[in-house]
Amino acid sequence: DTAVSQTPKYLVTQMGNDKSIKCEQNLGHDTMYWYKQDSKKFLKIMFSYNNKELIINETVPNRFSPKSPDKAHLNLHINSLELGDSAVYFCASSQAFWGQRTQETQYFGPGTRLLVL
Amino acid sequence: KQEVTQIPAALSVPEGENLVLNCSFTDSAIYNLQWFRQDPGKGLTSLLLIQSSQREQTSGRLNASLDKSSGRSTLYIAASQPGDSATYLCAVVLFGNEKLTFGTGTRLTIIP
Repeated sequence: DTAVSQTPKYLVTQMGNDKSIKCEQNLGHDTMYWYKQDSKKFLKIMFSYNNKELIINETVPNRFSPKSPDKAHLNLHINSLELGDSAVYFCASSQAFWGQRTQETQYFGPGTRLLVL
Repeated sequence: KQEVTQIPAALSVPEGENLVLNCSFTDSAIYNLQWFRQDPGKGLTSLLLIQSSQREQTSGRLNASLDKSSGRSTLYIAASQPGDSATYLCAVVLFGNEKLTFGTGTRLTIIP
């Protein structure tokens, strides 16, 4: 049983295109996240949603727009893709966020490898 | 701004040896610290989570310690096996801040 799943696993596209990455978790968690891992393998958070509400929005170009239709899904839409967007994007989830004082382990998806040509 | 550093960036040890991975962070006001492993081309797997009130956590051959005052955590792996080869990442959560700040990772290779 996959806990956190992402689609697609690989995405190769041309500069200027618009693409979406989907994430779903079946753990019943309230909080979901998007992370970007660059070519140097450094992981950095992009967004976090709790109960469909945006709670973390790091300094990310507004070409990136997260959408959470429900607690179990957090999708990432990217407009006008650029070469620098090439990276691995990880989705994660946790039971709750700090504001509820029950911070728990984050569970990560397998990643989506995006290559912009 | 919290910075998390892991040294060394890469480590190779013969199978069967015990080893220690290091993680240091600049802001000691952390809520918790997690150790993850990442296998090549795969996602992250959480290994251990230490709350700020705890000093260590153990799971099987793994033991993680936390010293907030010195801004350090170690991950001890006993009797290493080739299957332990992976990149190990530590990450911290600050009080009042939901996000995980990741370290740079240590790529571990266990030599059979």
